[in-house]
Amino acid sequence: GQQLNQSPQSMFIQEGEDVSMNCTSSSIFNTWLWYKQDPGEGPVLLIALYKAGELTSNGRLTAQFGITRKDSFLNISASIPSDVGIYFCAGQGWIDDMRFGAGTRLTVKP
Amino acid sequence: GAVVSQHPSRVICKSGTSVKIECRSLDFQATTMFWYRQFPKKSLMLMATSNEGSKATYEQGVEKDKFLINHASLTLSTLTVTSAHPEDSSFYICSASGRSLQSDTQYFGPGTRLTVL
Repeated sequence: GQQLNQSPQSMFIQEGEDVSMNCTSSSIFNTWLWYKQDPGEGPVLLIALYKAGELTSNGRLTAQFGITRKDSFLNISASIPSDVGIYFCAGQGWIDDMRFGAGTRLTVKP
Repeated sequence: GAVVSQHPSRVICKSGTSVKIECRSLDFQATTMFWYRQFPKKSLMLMATSNEGSKATYEQGVEKDKFLINHASLTLSTLTVTSAHPEDSSFYICSASGRSLQSDTQYFGPGTRLTVL
C-alpha cells in the first residue's frame, strides 16, 4: 500500500525561527494536504495542494506539491508559541483514500 | 464553512457496554464520511469509509461486528463500539467530504475520547 514518510518526527525551535518539514511517498498522490492537530482535538486543515508543482501560502505557512507527485513540504516562517502542535501530511489518491504521515511534533520555546 | 461536529467529546463506560459516537456535517452534505482511530502520540488510522445510504467499507484488521458504522443521512454518521473492552479505549475522529467542497477534501470533527473501564 501507499506509505508516507514524514520527517522530522519532532522539532524543538526558538520563537522566531523558521520551520521546515516534509513528506515523501513510495507512490503518486493526486492531492497533498497538511493538517495541524492540537492536543485532544481533531486535525485542522492548513493547506491543500491539488497540482504537481503547486506552491501555496496561508499566512506564515507555505507548502508545495512536488513535481514528481511523491513528496510535499511545509514551511512555517517566524514561528510563534501557538504554532506548537503536531503537523500531519496526508496524501489522497484516486478513490478518496487518504494516508497520513506519522506527524511532526513541533515545540516552540518563547 | 465545512464544519464537522462530534458527540460526545468524552465518554467513559464500563467493559461490556456499547457506546455510540455521532458525527455530523453542519453546513454541507457529506457524501462520504471516514472514521479514524488515534493512539497516543501516533498518527490517525483509518478504520472505515462510509457513503450515505450504503454499507461501510472497513479497512483490513478492523472488526465490522465490533465497530458498527451507519451513514443514514447526508449529515450524520454514527460509530457504535459494541461490547467495549479496555483495549478499545482510544481517540476516535471522524471526517467528512462532500460534493460542494473542493476536490473531496476531508474536514475533521473534534474527536471523541473513549475510556473503557
